[in-house]
Amino acid sequence: ETGVTQTPRHLVMGMTNKKSLKCEQHLGHNAMYWYKQSAKKPLELMFVYSLEERVENNSVPSRFSPECPNSSHLFLHLHTLQPEDSALYLCASSQVRSSSETQYFGPGTRLLVL
Amino acid sequence: AQKITQTQPGMFVQEKEAVTLDCTYDTSDPSYGLFWYKQPSSGEMIFLIYQGSYDQQNATEGRYSLNFQKARKSANLVISASQLGDSAMYFCAMSYFGNEKLTFGTGTRLTIIP
Repeated sequence: ETGVTQTPRHLVMGMTNKKSLKCEQHLGHNAMYWYKQSAKKPLELMFVYSLEERVENNSVPSRFSPECPNSSHLFLHLHTLQPEDSALYLCASSQVRSSSETQYFGPGTRLLVL
Repeated sequence: AQKITQTQPGMFVQEKEAVTLDCTYDTSDPSYGLFWYKQPSSGEMIFLIYQGSYDQQNATEGRYSLNFQKARKSANLVISASQLGDSAMYFCAMSYFGNEKLTFGTGTRLTIIP
């Protein structure tokens, strides 16, 4: 299943680096999401883009900056991260305002901040 | 706000046996959907099954079925004839109709023993 792809799959970065995570969905969906999954914590919703507009950001620190140039692509720009930002970052997509709003996830990016 | 509770942090089950993973939820809204996802060690969150709050019958998808007891606010996942490949983390999640936000439980780690 390659409906939602994410790159890179693994990323190691220093606290002063700038990097970007990329997500692409091939399902024709109109909403995309970023989630953070830390050890021993529930999955946390970070950002939602529905119909290419951001609808929720859940008080995420400004060192995380999302970008959604179109309904198929979603980016998460990272700068001056902290070690506690090390986690699995998952992208998902769904078709909102439909009979089934199931979210489908990508394989995730494992991020390690040194 | 909705809340999802998974009380079993870990389970060990003999191969070919059936297994039930517990999930309870708390909401006063009558319109919601319940989801189960599987997360292998690779990290990808795989959608398994969906149950709408107004669905009259329990959802089934192959070896997966959802034991939906609305009055008790429980949505247990039943896996029949377990296989070694079923070893993974399993997450229960919930969203309201027309709302993109998906709330996850803390998960259950299922290990299938040969």
